[in-house]
Amino acid sequence: EVQLVESGGGLVQPGGSLRLSCAASGFTFRNYWMSWVRQAPGKGLEGVANIKQDGSEKYYVDSVEGRYTISRDNAKNSFYLQMNSLRAEDTAVYYCARLRTNYGDWYFDLWGRGTLVTVSS
Amino acid sequence: DIQMTQSPSSLSASVGDRVTITCRASQGISNSLAWYQQKPGKAPKLLVYAASRLESGVPSRFSGSGSGTDYTLIISSLQPEDFATYYCQQYYSTPLTFGGGTKVETK
Repeated sequence: EVQLVESGGGLVQPGGSLRLSCAASGFTFRNYWMSWVRQAPGKGLEGVANIKQDGSEKYYVDSVEGRYTISRDNAKNSFYLQMNSLRAEDTAVYYCARLRTNYGDWYFDLWGRGTLVTVSS
Repeated sequence: DIQMTQSPSSLSASVGDRVTITCRASQGISNSLAWYQQKPGKAPKLLVYAASRLESGVPSRFSGSGSGTDYTLIISSLQPEDFATYYCQQYYSTPLTFGGGTKVETK
């Protein structure tokens, strides 16, 4: 079955760190750009970070630049989001997603179920 | 960054109704637009890409159109399973940005 499964969410204090993982299965993981997208409670969607097939290119939204790091391990069919210096406004459901990038496209064609990150004291 | 503005933010409709959702970009995006459906507690699901191309498996009652800065998602005959929130997303340039969402509720 083609799927993405997130793990690693939880409650963390402001200023703390958390590492999210996303395990991919059912498709050739190394062929795809991958991404993290978040959704604050009751709010819309926000793209957080993207990573190229070989990890050589990474993009971040301005609000997380310098605090978050996206990485991947193609041998394990997994990618990650290291989140440091967390703030209350980082509280959200974090989805991992696959990017379809054929012919200049950059949209999300496969999503995980999400993992909740709560930043609170 | 390209700002995406959806309207309306919510609407009430009945089964069988024709529903129209609009997305406006802050600059031209050359049909680099996708639409997603999200149900409560679930991940978004891709419906349309390249402004008008239906994703495989998506019912034909969904359609997308538009050009330049203005795009539309139409549900030709609303079904019970279509009550959800819909988002547009531009991929003309990074960062990839989403509209604020349109919640389709029961009238």
